[in-house]
Amino acid sequence: GAGVSQTPSNKVTEKGKYVELRCDPISGHTALYWYRQSLGQGPEFLIYFQGTGAADDSGLPNDRFFAVRPEGSVSTLKIQRTERGDSAVYLCASSLGGLADEQYFGPGTRLTVT
Amino acid sequence: AQSVTQLDSQVPVFEEAPVELRCNYSSSVSVYLFWYVQYPNQGLQLLLKYLSGSTLVKGINGFEAEFNKSQTSFHLRKPSVHISDTAEYFCAGGGGATNKLIFGTGTLLAVQP
Repeated sequence: GAGVSQTPSNKVTEKGKYVELRCDPISGHTALYWYRQSLGQGPEFLIYFQGTGAADDSGLPNDRFFAVRPEGSVSTLKIQRTERGDSAVYLCASSLGGLADEQYFGPGTRLTVT
Repeated sequence: AQSVTQLDSQVPVFEEAPVELRCNYSSSVSVYLFWYVQYPNQGLQLLLKYLSGSTLVKGINGFEAEFNKSQTSFHLRKPSVHISDTAEYFCAGGGGATNKLIFGTGTLLAVQP
């Protein structure tokens, strides 16, 4: 079946602009996760959803970052007033629900802020 | 607070040799541990996980890992590597009241002919 998909695969934007990154999870997965991976680093947790609600948003670095999942499936990560330090690969994952369940990762969106 | 440490950024090894990739963790709660692999230009894929029970965990592609509570380690091993095992390997941990995973910085396994 289809895996986790993310669009766009690449996004180049100017400093100060607003961007939206989209994630389509595996059908039936109630949990959805956002991570950020900088060059030479492991994925860094940002936020995760159980259904429509954010269950843990402790990894969002500041109030420029926001994520939604209004119908419990597709999620959008929104970044306002982008900064060069936001450049990274943004990964989305989904799972059946609990921590013990495998998190299936998408291919990521490479964000470059110039 | 939880943390996961992978001290080796790169491990070169010859084909058909054994390999061990090291992972240490710290946690104040019961912990679940995972190893993920990232092949070039591909997404992260789960190799194996430890939840509870037997401390020796077997995963895909001939990999295994052993949970050692006294040494707070979860090292990944394979008795004989192939060129196709060349990839970045990430150790991750989680536990407590949240589903978030804490990842290590990764180890590049470079298999040479």
